[in-house]
Amino acid sequence: DTAVSQTPKYLVTQMGNDKSIKCEQNLGHDTMYWYKQDSKKFLKIMFSYNNKELIINETVPNRFSPKSPDKAHLNLHINSLELGDSAVYFCASSQSLAGRTDTQYFGPGTRLTVL
Amino acid sequence: GNSVTQMEGPVTLSEEAFLTINCTYTATGYPSLFWYVQYPGEGLQLLLKATKADDKGSNKGFEATYRKETTSFHLEKGSVQVSDSAVYFCALAYSSASKIIFGSGTRLSIRP
Repeated sequence: DTAVSQTPKYLVTQMGNDKSIKCEQNLGHDTMYWYKQDSKKFLKIMFSYNNKELIINETVPNRFSPKSPDKAHLNLHINSLELGDSAVYFCASSQSLAGRTDTQYFGPGTRLTVL
Repeated sequence: GNSVTQMEGPVTLSEEAFLTINCTYTATGYPSLFWYVQYPGEGLQLLLKATKADDKGSNKGFEATYRKETTSFHLEKGSVQVSDSAVYFCALAYSSASKIIFGSGTRLSIRP
């Protein structure tokens, strides 16, 4: 059983388009995250949600809008895609907001390529 | 601010060699420290963690000790295998927020 799943795995699109990435976790966790990993493997948090409530928003452009319909899902919608948005996007989840002790479980990633 | 610095890769070793990947951190207070591993084409997974000074985390033959005096959390393994080839991330986190701060990652390649 997949703990954290993302769709699609690969996404190739033109500049200016709008796209969404979906994430689902079946671990019963309360907290979910989106991370961006650039071409040099540098990983940075974008958003976190706890029980559908936004907790962290790391100065991400307004073109990125996360949506959490329920605590098992956290989708990422991106408007007006730009070349610099090309990256691998990882979804993750953890039991709670206890960052010191809770393990984060990562999805397999979505490789976004903007042409 | 809080940050994590890792040794730059790539690191290439022969099978059964001894591995050290250095990690130092800058932080206020007392964070927990983690090593995550990313195998090719996969997401990150927790390798080991330590939540207080002098704690040693261990898993799959890897070890790291939380050294507050040197602000370090170096990853070691006595005898690496080809299957250990991956990217390794050092990270820290606080209880006051769910945010993890990752290092830049170190790519490890093991030759048969």
